[in-house]
Formats: sequence, structure tokens, C-alpha cells
Amino acid sequence: AQSVSQHNHHVILSEAASLELGCNYSYGGTVNLFWYVQYPGQHLQLLLKYFSGDPLVKGIKGFEAEFIKSKFSFNLRKPSVQWSDTAEYFCAVILSNTGKLIFGQGTTLQVKP
Amino acid sequence: DVKVTQSSRYLVKRTGEKVFLECVQDMDHENMFWYRQDPGLGLRLIYFSYDVKMKEKGDIPEGYSVSREKKERFSLILESASTNQTSMYLCASSTGTATMNTEAFFGQGTRLTVV
Repeated sequence: AQSVSQHNHHVILSEAASLELGCNYSYGGTVNLFWYVQYPGQHLQLLLKYFSGDPLVKGIKGFEAEFIKSKFSFNLRKPSVQWSDTAEYFCAVILSNTGKLIFGQGTTLQVKP
Repeated sequence: DVKVTQSSRYLVKRTGEKVFLECVQDMDHENMFWYRQDPGLGLRLIYFSYDVKMKEKGDIPEGYSVSREKKERFSLILESASTNQTSMYLCASSTGTATMNTEAFFGQGTRLTVV
């Protein structure tokens, strides 16, 4: 069955540390890829998306992600995190055959000031 | 702007009640989704509809059913609510498939408490 896996469930970093959150999906066809963020008590917000072309995509708030097709991965990165980045992050995939949208289980990021 | 509207922000229902959660989108999207969100479990797909009267089970369909009689409306039904269905429920819609560079749009969520 198609699925999305996020490797880290809970990440704790100090401010100014670099961030990389892993995301892998299991599906052989064309995908659209997304990272969402949910700040405490708030709704889901789209961080960035990949459809095609340059595999390195830039999103809001200094986040970027790299699509590596051979590894079925779409890892999220930020060079220097801030306390305000404390949130839950979700990787998601839309499948080409059905249009189904599948989420990973999420990664909780805690940034210590 | 795309608008996905869920009928209620908060609901409190009793065990055994039949519960209807309604979702309406205004962009003529083919696809609609129902998820539940629980701490530590992320967003789990309950049901997915890719056309009127067409549906597909997601990862956790047990205890739920859905109805899509019109393209703009997708209803989630809890036939007999139980306390383990207390959760945040999110509706989303999108157009087409990944070959069409599509993305999803979300409703504001319904927090359901079953007592």
C-alpha cells in the first residue's frame, strides 16, 4: 500500500541549529509533494510544494526541500532554526493515479531558546 | 480563493448517536477527503471521494461512512458514535491527480467530542 514515512517523531534543537526532517514515500508513479506546518493551536499551513522541475524547492520562512526521485525522498531543511519554528511538520504526497492525498505521521519540532 | 467549509467548529455528541459532519467546497474540485488528526498519529485518511457517488476507503474507515451526492458536498457519518472517535476531523478538496500539479485545500476542522 502507498504510504509516507517521516523518520523523526520528535526533534529538539537549540536556536540557530540546522534542521533536516526526513520524508520517504512508497509509490512508483508521479507524485506531487508537500510539507505542511501546524503551529500550536493553529491550522495546517502549506510550507512548500514540489510538482516538477528543479528538485530543490524553496518555501516560506526560510524552509527548503529537496526531491530525490531515486530515493523516493523529500527532506525538509532549514539552515538556522528559530524558537518560533516550534511546531508540528507534516510531509504529504498526492498520487498520480488516483489523486489521493496521503500524510506522514508528523514530526514535532521543539526549538529551545 | 478556494473555500472549504466545515459545518461545525465544535461538536459534542453522546455515545451511540448518529453524527453527520458536513463539508462543502466552492471550486468544483473532483476530489474530497476526510481525515482525523490525533496527537502523535498525524492525519489519517478515513475516506476519499474522486467523483460524485464514488468513494474509496482510507486507512481507518471502520465506524465511518461517507456520502457524496453532489460534487461540492462530502459528508462523513458516524453511524454510532463512540468515545474513541473523539478527535479533530479535517476535510480537504483538490482537483485532478498529481499529473495536473494539484494541491489540496483544507477546511478549518471540526473538533468532535463524544461523551
